[in-house]
Amino acid sequence: DVKVTQSSRYLVKRTGEKVFLECVQDMDHENMFWYRQDPGLGLRLIYFSYDVKMKEKGDIPEGYSVSREKKERFSLILESASTNQTSMYLCASSLRPPLAGGTDTQYFGPGTRLTVL
Amino acid sequence: AQTVTQSQPEMSVQEAETVTLSCTYDTSENNYYLFWYKQPPSRQMILVIRQEAYKQQNATENRFSVNFQKAAKSFSLKISDSQLGDTAMYFCASPFRGSNYKLTFGKGTLLTVNP
Repeated sequence: DVKVTQSSRYLVKRTGEKVFLECVQDMDHENMFWYRQDPGLGLRLIYFSYDVKMKEKGDIPEGYSVSREKKERFSLILESASTNQTSMYLCASSLRPPLAGGTDTQYFGPGTRLTVL
Repeated sequence: AQTVTQSQPEMSVQEAETVTLSCTYDTSENNYYLFWYKQPPSRQMILVIRQEAYKQQNATENRFSVNFQKAAKSFSLKISDSQLGDTAMYFCASPFRGSNYKLTFGKGTLLTVNP
C-alpha cells in the first residue's frame, strides 16, 4: 500500500514565524502535491512537483514556497506565517499518468492542522 | 474556470438504505479518470472509486458504484446498503484542463448515515 506521511498532525505557530511542513511518500511516485482544505471551499492546490527540483504553482501559491530535493520528500514552507494561513494542509502523491492526457490516482497523507496565532 | 460541482453540500440516509451523491465536471480532455474520495471525520482522505472515461461500463467497488454520463459530464456515486462507517465528506475530482498531473476537486458533500 502507498504510504504518505506528514511530519505533524497538529501545529501551532505565531504570526511571522517561518513554518515547514514535511511530506514523505514511500512508493517512488513522481508527482507530489500540497493542498489546503477549508470548510466550504474544498481542496485548493497550493503547489505541485512532477519531478525532483521541479515545481509548479497551483491555484493559491501566494505566501507559500516548496522544496523537493529528493523524490520521496516534498516540503511546504510558509515564509512568514499569517493568521489567514490557519487551515488543514494535505499532501498527496501520484504516479505519472498512464493515459495520454490522464491523471493517476492521488494518495493523501493524514493532514496537518495548522493554527497561526 | 475549471469547475467540479457537487450540488448537495449535505445529505443524510438511514442505515441499510441507498443514497446517490451527484457531481458534474467540465473537463474537455479525451482520455481521463474521474475520482470519488472519502474523508471520514478527523481521518485520512482515501480513494473510493475511479472511472476511466473511455470505458462505457460504470465502475463498481463492492457497495459503491458510479453512474457515468460522459456526454452530460455527470459522475454520480451510489452507495448501497449504507453503513455507519460511510459517514464522511465525499469529494468528486476530475483532471484539470490541459494538465497531466493536476486534479480539480468539488467542494464536497457531507454524508451522514443514521442508525
